[in-house]
Amino acid sequence: DTGVSQNPRHKITKRGQNVTFRCDPISEHNRLYWYRQTLGQGPEFLTYFQNEAQLEKSRLLSDRFSAERPKGSFSTLEIQRTEQGDSAMYLCASSLAADADTQYFGPGTRLTVL
Amino acid sequence: RKEVEQDPGPFNVPEGATVAFNCTYSNSASQSFFWYRQDCRKEPKLLMSVYSSGNEDGRFTAQLNRASQYISLLIRDSKLSDSATYLCVVNRWEYGNKLVFGAGTILRVKS
Repeated sequence: DTGVSQNPRHKITKRGQNVTFRCDPISEHNRLYWYRQTLGQGPEFLTYFQNEAQLEKSRLLSDRFSAERPKGSFSTLEIQRTEQGDSAMYLCASSLAADADTQYFGPGTRLTVL
Repeated sequence: RKEVEQDPGPFNVPEGATVAFNCTYSNSASQSFFWYRQDCRKEPKLLMSVYSSGNEDGRFTAQLNRASQYISLLIRDSKLSDSATYLCVVNRWEYGNKLVFGAGTILRVKS
């Protein structure tokens, strides 16, 4: 499968714990995006990378959130000291910089914070 | 006010019906426009891009009115498999090309 993959697909954690999600983009894509989607809403932009550089972060991304893309390939999104309000689907997407309108989404990681 | 507004529905229609969804966007600097489809608990998938000249893909027709900041999607001859949430999406070519999604319109096609 050469699409965008995300792991884990589901994560249940207790409030206050740290969690980390991984995204593997389509191999030749140099842009990688993170979005968050809550029930009844569309996805909301969190941050994006071009290669290994994190170029923009939404104000939705509090200090408890950190994202990395150390070698310009896969990316991780870490949430520290999780809160119940962090419960959501975390979606990763990738694209070519030259065709950034066309973003391919992964299946998402569904986070439940108890 | 949200940047992209849609009627959440649900739209309940019989098979074979024609159904239309509308969407408005507030940022006149928006430059690209799309309809995405999202099945329950799945990722969004691009359905079609939307151009001012209008574009058609089989049973689906999309239209953009830049003056009114309005986007539409028409589905003809609805199928059971069309049941999904339809997300209206705009993109600004400012730094990042981040997609801005509406909350979605739920379509249920019934036999």
